[in-house]
Amino acid sequence: QKEVEQNSGPLSVPEGAIASLNCTYSDRGSQSFFWYRQYSGKSPELIMFIYSNGDKEDGRFTAQLNKASQYVSLLIRDSQPSDSATYLCVLGTSYGKLTFGQGTILTVHP
Amino acid sequence: DGGITQSPKYLFRKEGQNVTLSCEQNLNHDAMYWYRQDPGQGLRLIYYSQIVNDFQKGDIAEGYSVSREKKESFPLTVTSAQKNPTAFYLCASRGDRVWNQPQHFGDGTRLSIL
Repeated sequence: QKEVEQNSGPLSVPEGAIASLNCTYSDRGSQSFFWYRQYSGKSPELIMFIYSNGDKEDGRFTAQLNKASQYVSLLIRDSQPSDSATYLCVLGTSYGKLTFGQGTILTVHP
Repeated sequence: DGGITQSPKYLFRKEGQNVTLSCEQNLNHDAMYWYRQDPGQGLRLIYYSQIVNDFQKGDIAEGYSVSREKKESFPLTVTSAQKNPTAFYLCASRGDRVWNQPQHFGDGTRLSIL
């Protein structure tokens, strides 16, 4: 089993819809969870982080964490074409190392 | 502006040649990291350093070397022993005093074989 598994893509949603990106992980010791966005040919940029069970909202983005189910998700409301990118689910440990998922490609079509 | 600067943006390596990728940060971050990204894959950790004059191997260190003589700088050398060096190389840093803070990335260097 991969340490971080993201829902297979590519994911295509119409403009204005909700995009749902999902991630499961195997290491119960993971303590911090990040979502990065990576445009084609560019470096990853942080869009959300969450440490506690529950939901965390920031503008159009909501991160959800369920440690018992080892599940983390990212919802993007009112999706825009500019949201089209690869989304990386990333886990952190207390000693600072990150483990990256393989990414989910999201396409928002007008 | 504070940030992480990687250079060059594009680099070509000849057979048997060592090449060095530069990474400089002015964020006063203690921890710095090097990753490799291949098409369709997640980032894989090559080396990391939590403090000056100390560094640790990551998951794919073979064929690479690093140094950390200054807090601001963490250069990566891709040696001739790395037989498949073509990839996108990303440098990251993190304010290490707070363990759960995210890493921030430079713009990357694309390395190709001539």
